[in-house]
Amino acid sequence: GQQVMQIPQYQHVQEGEDFTTYCNSSTTLSNIQWYKQRPGGHPVFLIQLVKSGEVKKQKRLTFQFGEAKKNSSLHITATQTTDVGTYFCAGGGGKLIFGQGTELSVKP
Amino acid sequence: NAGVMQNPRHLVRRRGQEARLRCSPMKGHSHVYWYRQLPEEGLKFMVYLQKENIIDESGMPKERFSAEFPKEGPSILRIQQVVRGDSAAYFCASSPRDKLGTNEKLFFGSGTQLSVL
Repeated sequence: GQQVMQIPQYQHVQEGEDFTTYCNSSTTLSNIQWYKQRPGGHPVFLIQLVKSGEVKKQKRLTFQFGEAKKNSSLHITATQTTDVGTYFCAGGGGKLIFGQGTELSVKP
Repeated sequence: NAGVMQNPRHLVRRRGQEARLRCSPMKGHSHVYWYRQLPEEGLKFMVYLQKENIIDESGMPKERFSAEFPKEGPSILRIQQVVRGDSAAYFCASSPRDKLGTNEKLFFGSGTQLSVL
């Protein structure tokens, strides 16, 4: 079946450093979504990418969808302590298959 | 506009008992998804339902687990004869519809933390 893989599993950064998480799918995706889950919380939708090569920005967050629509990345510029949490990518049709997530910790 | 409501928030069961987890989707949403999350793991898809129909249950264990989404009332995830390995956070999510080939975004509830003693 379809698999969505994310790396790294954990990332520890100093506040102000950049952060990137990568997502790869075993199959071509019609679209990809990104979610954030704060510690003890529930996943919250961040963004959806649909077009091949698409790049979207939300303040310090930059999301990319690969040309082949099989990979994606999330980049955070100058991390802040409020960025702490686990970032998930998800793709699929009908049901969403989530990656394992990248847990980000930020040291003040 | 209330979000996705799940209850109970915490559920403690002894081995062999039944667990019933409830999920009321957002108003106007007709699609419900259940996911299971173990500590420091991702969200594992379990089942996808529309009103009165199971659309995809490929992530459900073959035994002891069942789900329904009746015409009236919340969606129920039922686990019979629970075992310690069922301990996890169970999240419900809803969406208004599923466009062909395009996912609608999911709105998640706060989850039910199931602990099996």
